Amino acid sequence: DIQMTQSPSSLSASLGDRVTITCRASQDISNYLAWYQQKPGKVPKLLIYAASTLQSGVPSRFSGSGSGTDFTLTINSLQPEDVATYYCQKYNSAPRITFGPGTRVDIK
Amino acid sequence: EVQLLESGGGLVQPGGSLRLSCAASRFTFSDYGMTWVRQAPGKGLEWVSCISSRGDNTYYADSVRGRFTVSRDNSKNTLYLQMSSLRDEDTAVYYCARGGDYRHLDYWGQGTLVTVSS
Repeated sequence: DIQMTQSPSSLSASLGDRVTITCRASQDISNYLAWYQQKPGKVPKLLIYAASTLQSGVPSRFSGSGSGTDFTLTINSLQPEDVATYYCQKYNSAPRITFGPGTRVDIK
Repeated sequence: EVQLLESGGGLVQPGGSLRLSCAASRFTFSDYGMTWVRQAPGKGLEWVSCISSRGDNTYYADSVRGRFTVSRDNSKNTLYLQMSSLRDEDTAVYYCARGGDYRHLDYWGQGTLVTVSS
């Protein structure tokens, strides 16, 4: 089974900072990689799919990159409303979907 | 806007059964695979099951295979998750989401809480 890891597990950054979260797959998943944001007490929200395609309505300060096994989610200019846990997810071969363990982002 | 509304959660004893429903609206339900994801209290997201758009292919996490059954009724725009032999560790908020089966999850329901406890 393909395993997904994320780093760091948590981070604190200042408003306006650039934040980078990495996600690694244990095998090549091409670009079948999505990123989700889950604010405290809320439903997960799709941010990015196909590794780098921004979901409609998502602010442009969010971006994704990578292919194969290594992926990155970047938040340019961190805002108060970005406090959340971020999950990567692969959606190619069986088991069809695997989530990473999540990265918690707070404001310093 | 796409809507997904889960129902059927509640308190159930270990070993018991429960059926969750997810009513879909404002999109062509039969065109999409659908997925169940759960989140135990204070924990991360865990994939539970996917079903293809026509319902002819189903997939399960190892943790629920043999105990849970996913199904859909495209005439009613409804997704189901039949859960049996429930365990304490099945306690979670259960979300239905559009996608899976080689597709990202672009819309999620609000979730329904399942509590397994004696």
